[in-house]
Amino acid sequence: SQELEQSPQSLIVQEGKNLTINCTSSKTLYGLYWYKQKYGEGLIFLMMLQKGGEEKSHEKITAKLDEKKQQSSLHITASQPSHAGIYLCGADHAGGTSYGKLTFGQGTILTVHP
Amino acid sequence: GAVVSQHPSRVICKSGTSVKIECRSLDFQATTMFWYRQFPKQSLMLMATSNEGSKATYEQGVEKDKFLINHASLTLSTLTVTSAHPEDSSFYICSASPGAGQGNPDTQYFGPGTRLTVL
Repeated sequence: SQELEQSPQSLIVQEGKNLTINCTSSKTLYGLYWYKQKYGEGLIFLMMLQKGGEEKSHEKITAKLDEKKQQSSLHITASQPSHAGIYLCGADHAGGTSYGKLTFGQGTILTVHP
Repeated sequence: GAVVSQHPSRVICKSGTSVKIECRSLDFQATTMFWYRQFPKQSLMLMATSNEGSKATYEQGVEKDKFLINHASLTLSTLTVTSAHPEDSSFYICSASPGAGQGNPDTQYFGPGTRLTVL
């Protein structure tokens, strides 16, 4: 089974709608990272969460970390076509023992229709 | 700040040849860089951890003689795919963290990726 599960695998929404992407870890999280990728391109860093209950926002994107549940959610408010892409969560499962090594979820493909 | 570049962005080669991919941190020093591989519509899989001044650490199942990694300086790591075959065709992405004192040390920044096609 996957160490990091993302859901849904794909999402199609109408412009202006809100949406949520979830990332659930089967191991203890020392850090949870959210990235956005356009197909065939590199990853754009969105946010990093480390502490249980932490919540961060950037423009219309908010991410939360529920450390107890080993889960993070990414919420986009009033989605726009520019939000379309692949959203990946990356987990630091090793903490200080293997600095920077990340395990990635399978990604969520977001399509926003104008 | 915290920009990572990769070169080339795209390469097509014949089966049996070797291909070198460069990963550079442009505005910070990185003692550790990471190399990932991504197949179409799949997530990133960590291949190896590149350590400046020492040997790379490879993930289970990754052939170290096939994928040679050299971390020549604090701003450059190279991945050489030796004797490439069509099954090596993939999207290769590197990443690096700034480290203490250079901005957010916990954030990994990714290069734009290199698409390798082996004919």
